[in-house]
Amino acid sequence: GAGVSQSPSNKVTEKGKDVELRCDPISGHTALYWYRQSLGQGLEFLIYFQGNSAPDKSGLPSDRFSAERTGGSVSTLTIQRTQQEDSAVYLCASSISGTPADTQYFGPGTRLTVL
Amino acid sequence: AQSVSQHNHHVILSEAASLELGCNYSYGGTVNLFWYVQYPGQHLQLLLKYFSGDPLVKGIKGFEAEFIKSKFSFNLRKPSVQWSDTAEYFCAVTPQNRDDKIIFGKGTRLHILP
Repeated sequence: GAGVSQSPSNKVTEKGKDVELRCDPISGHTALYWYRQSLGQGLEFLIYFQGNSAPDKSGLPSDRFSAERTGGSVSTLTIQRTQQEDSAVYLCASSISGTPADTQYFGPGTRLTVL
Repeated sequence: AQSVSQHNHHVILSEAASLELGCNYSYGGTVNLFWYVQYPGQHLQLLLKYFSGDPLVKGIKGFEAEFIKSKFSFNLRKPSVQWSDTAEYFCAVTPQNRDDKIIFGKGTRLHILP
């Protein structure tokens, strides 16, 4: 079946602009995660959605970052007033139920470059 | 705070060499442990995981990892690497508690010389 998809694959923007990144999880997966991958920094957790529960936003680095998940499926990560330090690859992952032992399935990522 | 340490940031080996990538975590309770791999141009994917039972876990492509609780370690091993193992490898841990998130290490870039 289809895996996790993300769009766009690449995004170049100017400092101060807003950007929206989209994630389509695997159908039927109730848990969805966003991560940021910077060079040499590994994967930084951003936000986690599980079913209809309130999202875990504890990893969002500032109030310029927000995310929503509509209908328990597609998710959008929004970065307002982008800064150069926001440049990174943003990865989305989903898992079947969000339990700690679940395998996470990752999308290809969106490479964001802020000029 | 929980953390995961991968000691080697960049490893270069020749084909057929043996591989061991170190991973240590800091958390006092029961954990689930993972190794994920990202091949060039591909998605991050699961290599293997441990959540209970036999501490020696077998994964895909001949990889294995051993959970040593007393050392808080989950080192990844492969007896004979191939050029196709060139990738970035990430160790990760989740405490067995729904309130705690998965924590990833910073990754190890493995480069296999043909």
